[in-house]
Amino acid sequence: TQLLEQSPQFLSIQEGENLTVYCNSSSVFSSLQWYRQEPGEGPVLLVTVVTGGEVKKLKRLTFQFGDARKDSSLHITAAQPGDTGLYLCAGAEMTTDSWGKLQFGAGTQVVVTP
Amino acid sequence: EAQVTQNPRYLITVTGKKLTVTCSQNMNHEYMSWYRQDPGLGLRQIYYSMNVEVTDKGDVPEGYKVSRKEKRNFPLILESPSPNQTSLYFCASRASGGFVSDTQYFGPGTRLTVL
Repeated sequence: TQLLEQSPQFLSIQEGENLTVYCNSSSVFSSLQWYRQEPGEGPVLLVTVVTGGEVKKLKRLTFQFGDARKDSSLHITAAQPGDTGLYLCAGAEMTTDSWGKLQFGAGTQVVVTP
Repeated sequence: EAQVTQNPRYLITVTGKKLTVTCSQNMNHEYMSWYRQDPGLGLRQIYYSMNVEVTDKGDVPEGYKVSRKEKRNFPLILESPSPNQTSLYFCASRASGGFVSDTQYFGPGTRLTVL
């Protein structure tokens, strides 16, 4: 069982549409990160959120950290083919045993067609 | 340019033949780690290192070894590879082990197939 559950697993949309990807857990996180991974490459960090309720924007991408610090969402407005990729969330649990450790979700594959 | 490099990028080997995947970073980072990525399972940590000569097990360490003799290098060793170690492997580094919210940089990946 994944500590971080991402949904949906796969999303295919047309250029110009909006989409939302979710990252949920029963654990509380001190911080949560979103990465994008393209074929043949390693994940690249998009954003880190650290405060419950925090909202960060990166151009057409909006990231939100839940008030209880257990979940997060990524919303893309007017998606473009360049947004295609595997989106991964990763969180650091607020426990002594997990100090310094990131746990990753399985990822959401997003495909944006022209 | 800040980067994490891995070699080789692709490797096909046979069961039981020892292999090493190298990893190097040029950012003077203290923290380095190895992950494997499998469909539906995401990235799982194999081993990590907080600094030179300090290594510890991650979530899936069985069948792997690591060493950290220099700050920039963190090789992954498979003493006797088995088919269930067929996977996509990533090396990663960040400035400090304690500041988990720091940017973590990933290498380009090594696709390993064990026949």
